[in-house]
Amino acid sequence: GAVVSQHPSRVICKSGTSVKIECRSLDFQATTMFWYRQFPKQSLMLMATSNEGSKATYEQGVEKDKFLINHASLTLSTLTVTSAHPEDSSFYICSARVRKLAGHEQYFGPGTRLTVT
Amino acid sequence: AQSVTQLGSHVSVSEGALVLLRCNYSSSVPPYLFWYVQYPNQGLQLLLKYTSAATLVKGINGFEAEFKKSETSFHLTKPSAHMSDAAEYFCAVTVFSGGYQKVTFGTGTKLQVIP
Repeated sequence: GAVVSQHPSRVICKSGTSVKIECRSLDFQATTMFWYRQFPKQSLMLMATSNEGSKATYEQGVEKDKFLINHASLTLSTLTVTSAHPEDSSFYICSARVRKLAGHEQYFGPGTRLTVT
Repeated sequence: AQSVTQLGSHVSVSEGALVLLRCNYSSSVPPYLFWYVQYPNQGLQLLLKYTSAATLVKGINGFEAEFKKSETSFHLTKPSAHMSDAAEYFCAVTVFSGGYQKVTFGTGTKLQVIP
C-alpha cells in the first residue's frame, strides 16, 4: 500500500531556533497534503492544507509566518517551525491525498514529535 | 503495537436510515479513540473522542460511538442519516505514554447517502 514518511520522527531543539519537518509520499504523487498537530490527549487539529506549486491555506489561528509550509513537489511537503518556543512542542502529522479512479485516497505519516527546550 | 480496522471502505445508506460505521482496534495499552470526518477537499475534523471516561460518547452532528473493550470496538452510529453526512470517516487510535505518542488511522470509510 501507499506509504507516507516523515522525517525526523523525533526532534529536540532549543527555543528560538527553527526546525524543518519533511513529509514524503514514497510511491505515489500527492495532489494535496495536510498538516496537523496533536497535543497530548487531544485530537488532531488541522493546521494547513497545501497543494503542489501553490501557497498553503492555513486554518484560523495558525500563524503562517511561524509555520512555513512548502509543497515543492508532488511527493514532498515541508513544515518549518520558525523561532520555536516551548509551546510549539507537539506531535505533528502530515497526510497525503491522491486522486484515484474511484475517488481520493488518503494516507497518513507516522508523525514527528517536536520538543522545544 | 496498535492497529485499526475499519470494515467497509464504502457504505451506502438511505436518507433517514441508521448509519453504522465499524471500527475495531488493538492496542497494548489503554487507547484514546477518535472518529474524524473529512469532507471533499478539506482536512480532518473531529467528530468525537473516547478518553477513558464514559463509554458512550456523543459527538457533533448527532453521531455517537460506544467503546466496547470486550469487543475492542468503537463503532460510529447515527440514528438518521442526512444528505450532509456524505463524507469519509476515519477511526484513529492514539496512545499517549510519557513522552511517547503514536497515532494509527484506519483506512477510512466513504459514506454515501441516497436520497
